Amino acid sequence: AQKITQTQPGMFVQEKEAVTLDCTYDTSDPSYGLFWYKQPSSGEMIFLIYQGSYDQQNATEGRYSLNFQKARKSANLVISASQLGDSAMYFCAMREGGDSNYQLIWGAGTKLIIKP
Amino acid sequence: DTGVSQDPRHKITKRGQNVTFRCDPISEHNRLYWYRQTLGQGPEFLTYFQNEAQLEKSRLLSDRFSAERPKGSFSTLEIQRTEQGDSAMYLCASSLGPDRANTEAFFGQGTRLTVV
Repeated sequence: AQKITQTQPGMFVQEKEAVTLDCTYDTSDPSYGLFWYKQPSSGEMIFLIYQGSYDQQNATEGRYSLNFQKARKSANLVISASQLGDSAMYFCAMREGGDSNYQLIWGAGTKLIIKP
Repeated sequence: DTGVSQDPRHKITKRGQNVTFRCDPISEHNRLYWYRQTLGQGPEFLTYFQNEAQLEKSRLLSDRFSAERPKGSFSTLEIQRTEQGDSAMYLCASSLGPDRANTEAFFGQGTRLTVV
């Protein structure tokens, strides 16, 4: 079973509009972290935002916010006031808790294209 | 630049040849990870080092693959007798341990391997 599911392979959004990228996850571990990364065409994975399973409030980082709905196991990324430079692949990833855990589990990504 | 650096950025090789990639993590980071990413997919975990010790290898890492981190600083990933299926982006990441659910991994720009 997929642990991270991103159902939108691609999205087109008009510049300056807000955009929501979907991510659902599956884990039985009560302690986990959810990450969003941006990957431009240059290839580097750029960390955007993090949400912990015990965090009471939704994470925000500048124009990025995470709509965390724990009961639904969803962690959607919201980008406000989109810019042309936001065009990239966006990946949702999860790290499950535990001292020996080390790997990120990734979704397939969403390709976001911002139209001028 | 104090980020994660990878060399080379691109490598084209003939099937059957050996290739070696290098990763220099952020200097104080004791954790180092290798991931592989094929076109249109999220990264897949390959292996993980804590200092110089290789603590885990994915089943994706066949006998043709070997990774080292001899002094707990830079790491190399070698692929012997390359096959066309090895064509992918190889991503290196580092983090400062211990690994918890909220540990952020910092990624390099990747090495894109094309086997012809």
